[in-house]
Order: sequence, then structure tokens, then C-alpha cells
Amino acid sequence: QVQLQQWGAGLLKPSETLSLSCAVSGGSFSDDYWSWIRQSPGKGLEWIGEINQSGSTNYNPSLKSRVALSLDTSKNQFSLNVSSVTAADTAVYYCARVVSVFGVVLQPFDSWGQGTLVTVAS
Amino acid sequence: QSVLTQPPSASGTPGQRVSISCSESSSDIESNYVHWYQQLPGMAPTLLIFKNSQRPSGVPARFSGSKSGTSASLAISGLQSEDEADYYCATWDDSLGAWVFGGGTKLTVL
Repeated sequence: QVQLQQWGAGLLKPSETLSLSCAVSGGSFSDDYWSWIRQSPGKGLEWIGEINQSGSTNYNPSLKSRVALSLDTSKNQFSLNVSSVTAADTAVYYCARVVSVFGVVLQPFDSWGQGTLVTVAS
Repeated sequence: QSVLTQPPSASGTPGQRVSISCSESSSDIESNYVHWYQQLPGMAPTLLIFKNSQRPSGVPARFSGSKSGTSASLAISGLQSEDEADYYCATWDDSLGAWVFGGGTKLTVL
């Protein structure tokens, strides 16, 4: 069973860059997509974007201009950067796996990281 | 653009059967699979139903999913107190090229 362990800075000032990483254990990147999802306090889930081993990415259009995803196969981890953060980016951020084979999604978000609360405040 | 609409709340008593709906204004549900997630208080979400009606291993059979046209439903039979959680539907939005989630339904077991 794949396990995801995430980490990163939890307190940022407005205009700074949010950086989170997620380590994958118990499996490899294979054909899967690796996603980031966030949840503002008391709110629902918002998908941020995803990346696969080939470097192919998909982004939420509402965040695309500020988001960058990367993946390091040698370290078995993937990362999220969100630039120019504001208070509206305050949320719990989750990493998650989308199980895919030859580009066909089998099970979206079947494994999740533990979540990282990121607070943006001056 | 896909908008998945869920009722904000639902409730039932132990042993009852409850259903949570997920409807869409465009045709993404009709053409794409719907998936369901359970989020227990203070926890990360977990996959409950994928591809409209399939259960991952370990998910009890009292959880079931269905889809018809532009609507999908999650049904929970034999409701238990530990089912009290938030439930989210999700699908792929072809026009956005993005995953979209419903607003979530808070299930209360009375």
C-alpha cells in the first residue's frame, strides 16, 4: 500500500512562496498522477494540480498562473510551489495519488498524505 | 464549466438508509465517472467509491454508488454512528481539464 508523507512550511507572509513536498513509499511513480488538493478552513476540497513521471501536468485554471509542480524520481517525491500567496491561500494542503495505467484513470485520490496546514498572515 | 452540487447536510438514525446526491449542470457526469470520498473529522479524505459504483477493498458493502444521466448518488445502508462525516463527490471536467469536487455533504447520525 502506497504511503504519502508530506512536509513544508506552515506559516507564510503575504507575497511569499508556499513550498510543500510529498514522499512516496511502498510504491513507485509508474503511470500514476500525483496531485495536490487543498481545503480552506471549514470549506470543501479544491484540486490544485497533478504531475506524472513524464512531467506531464494539469492545473486548476484558477490557480495555474501561480502554481508549479515538480517530481524527483531519484528521491521518490513530488513538490508544490504556490507563488505570491495571500490569506485566501490559507488551507490544509494534501498530496494524493491518482492511480492510472497508460493514461487511463483507475482510482483517483486513493492514497492521501496527512495534510499540512499552511497559514498566510502578516 | 462543471459545477457539482451536493446538499450541504443529510441525517439519519442508526440502521437507516441515507442517500446523498451529486448533480451537475453540464455533461461531465454523464460522460465521466463519479467518485466519492469520506472525510472523518480532523482526518484526510479517503476513497469510498470509484467509477460510479466500485468499492475499494476494505470499504463495507453498505456503501454503494450509482449514476444516472447528470446525477450520481451515494447510498449508505445500515447507518452507523461512525459514518458521521463529510462526503464529497468528484469527477473530471473535460472542458476545464481539471478535477472538480462537489461542495460536500455533512452527514449527521442522530
